[in-house]
Amino acid sequence: EIVLTQSPGTLSLSPGERATLSCRASQSVSSSYLAWYHQKPGQAPRLLIYGASSRATGIPDRFSGSGSGTDFTLTISRLEPEDFAVYYCQQYAGSPAWTFGQGTKVEI
Amino acid sequence: QLQLQESGPGLVKPSETLSLTCTLSGGSISSSSYYWGWIRQPPGKGLEWIGSIYYSGSTYYNPSLKSRVTISVDTSKNQFSLKLNSVTAADTAVYYCARQDYGDYGDFWGQGTLVTVSS
Repeated sequence: EIVLTQSPGTLSLSPGERATLSCRASQSVSSSYLAWYHQKPGQAPRLLIYGASSRATGIPDRFSGSGSGTDFTLTISRLEPEDFAVYYCQQYAGSPAWTFGQGTKVEI
Repeated sequence: QLQLQESGPGLVKPSETLSLTCTLSGGSISSSSYYWGWIRQPPGKGLEWIGSIYYSGSTYYNPSLKSRVTISVDTSKNQFSLKLNSVTAADTAVYYCARQDYGDYGDFWGQGTLVTVSS
């Protein structure tokens, strides 16, 4: 089973700043089968990025994903107030089986 | 517009069976392009994949829950269901259903339903 480790656990930033979130896999994630979601309190997760770097429908271009193999990054170029949430990475190399990282909280 | 809606009891007694249904509207559960999954989230914690099903009835379960989980599909009702038996307090969580694009990422999610295991 591929284990995903996200860092940092909490990121304290201000609106307008750049956020860089890391997701490291215990073994290589084939074909960059990695996705990112964010989750606001009381809401379901929302897909942001799939295939490591493709933005989902309706996701603004301030969100970008990169990486391959075992190291992946989600970057939010300029934080908007609605971006303060918990972010999860998820691998689907064993599709349809999923594993998730433990999450990174982006707080003001 | 595509919608997924979870339904079922919000309170289950220890050792009993948790049963939830996810109803799809605005689309067909028989589409060959998607799998349908269950994911849960204990209060204040992260996400855990429970299992997935294809419209044909093929199922895939998290090994850590496999002995207690059954997922089924009813294409005539555009629904799929989750049964988790022998529940304990550790199974208290928000349970989500989701659409998995070709079994990959979850592009649509239900709003989630809280199930509490307590006597």
